[in-house]
Amino acid sequence: GAVVSQHPSRVICKSGTSVKIECRSLDFQATTMFWYRQFPKKSLMLMATSNEGSKATYEQGVEKDKFLINHASLTLSTLTVTSAHPEDSSFYICSASRDRRRGDTQYFGPGTRLTVL
Amino acid sequence: AQTVTQSQPEMSVQEAETVTLSCTYDTSESDYYLFWYKQPPSRQMILVIRQEAYKQQNATENRFSVNFQKAAKSFSLKISDSQLGDAAMYFCAYGFRSGGSNYKLTFGKGTLLTVNP
Repeated sequence: GAVVSQHPSRVICKSGTSVKIECRSLDFQATTMFWYRQFPKKSLMLMATSNEGSKATYEQGVEKDKFLINHASLTLSTLTVTSAHPEDSSFYICSASRDRRRGDTQYFGPGTRLTVL
Repeated sequence: AQTVTQSQPEMSVQEAETVTLSCTYDTSESDYYLFWYKQPPSRQMILVIRQEAYKQQNATENRFSVNFQKAAKSFSLKISDSQLGDAAMYFCAYGFRSGGSNYKLTFGKGTLLTVNP
């Protein structure tokens, strides 16, 4: 149980285009989903937290107009990188938890590698 | 601010031997959670073990166990009978409630574990 999927696993796009990444909890309802960014050989950096039906909460330094997050249902959250540039190239990982009040375990998706040319 | 420190960038162990990975954290909170995640070359984050701060008993999960020293703010991971499949980057993470109702994770920088046959 507690499986999280991400789609696509890899994406290559041209500079200036927008890219959407989907994160789905397959066998549980996720009240909260998280989006992370990971640079090569580095740790995970939290970008934003989203609760179903609410606006996402962004971490300091993360541009909310550039990284649009939608959490429209209890099983789906999307991250849209708008007007992507080469510096947005990175590994993006989502996670999901069942109960935001209890510090419940976060279950992670397999990640999406974004390359912006 | 909460910080997580993993002082060992790399560790190695012989197959079937035991290895301990170190983690310390800094917090003024009393209610929090601690986790160890592993990230193999596939980059899928996998939960290894979880510890609630209010529990004095150390968590165990098959060959994996922790030594949780709350006063010392230490949370080490012991891997017994190491297997080749244990080779991965291991991240220590501290879960806390920030402001509102959401719990967030702060990750250490990771320890790369090599298992030698």
